[in-house]
Amino acid sequence: DSGVTQTPKHLITATGQRVTLRCSPRSGDLSVYWYQQSLDQGLQFLIQYYNGEERAKGNILERFSAQQFPDLHSELNLSSLELGDSALYFCASSVGSGIANQPQHFGDGTRLSIL
Amino acid sequence: LAKTTQPISMDSYEGQEVNITCSHNNIATNDYITWYQQFPSQGPRFIIQGYKTKVTNEVASLFIPADRKSSTLSLPRVSLSDTAVYYCLVGDNDYKLSFGAGTTVTVRA
Repeated sequence: DSGVTQTPKHLITATGQRVTLRCSPRSGDLSVYWYQQSLDQGLQFLIQYYNGEERAKGNILERFSAQQFPDLHSELNLSSLELGDSALYFCASSVGSGIANQPQHFGDGTRLSIL
Repeated sequence: LAKTTQPISMDSYEGQEVNITCSHNNIATNDYITWYQQFPSQGPRFIIQGYKTKVTNEVASLFIPADRKSSTLSLPRVSLSDTAVYYCLVGDNDYKLSFGAGTTVTVRA
């Protein structure tokens, strides 16, 4: 158990809709990262928040947004959904803000299916 | 964005040593190299991290040459439960993460 909790585990929706994915980081971790994993793209880094502030952006679409709340949980909002957004979305957390110099602890993901 | 390249797959047998090499030509000066293991329907799990030379923990070793343009994850005496996808991760100076495409390691009895 990594200590990172993601909800929901599965989500099925239709094109054009909007969904919110939720992540609770491991206790004591201040950074939250979001990743998208699809069969053809592998693991893609989307965005990082550290202690409530956006820290780094990766390949995140404009239709996607995220935030980290004062209690450090984070939400990833996906809007105007397209079939190609079907994927596994992972959240990870780490203690500090360094983007690549510390271990990240991953949740088990939210599987998003767009019909 | 740093580009990482790994072999797509590797086969091995129980008890053998498995070495997976990741190429990362654009690694940044201050960035580390991290390896993760992923089983189906689970999130990646941290294995090992290093900056240069050699790092060893209870499950793996990581070899990094002086130029740091590649790294090799070494799994000693693998078992069937080591069958998984292994990813290397590096960051670059633009603060973007790059995961390798993953190496599927299959361990056979």
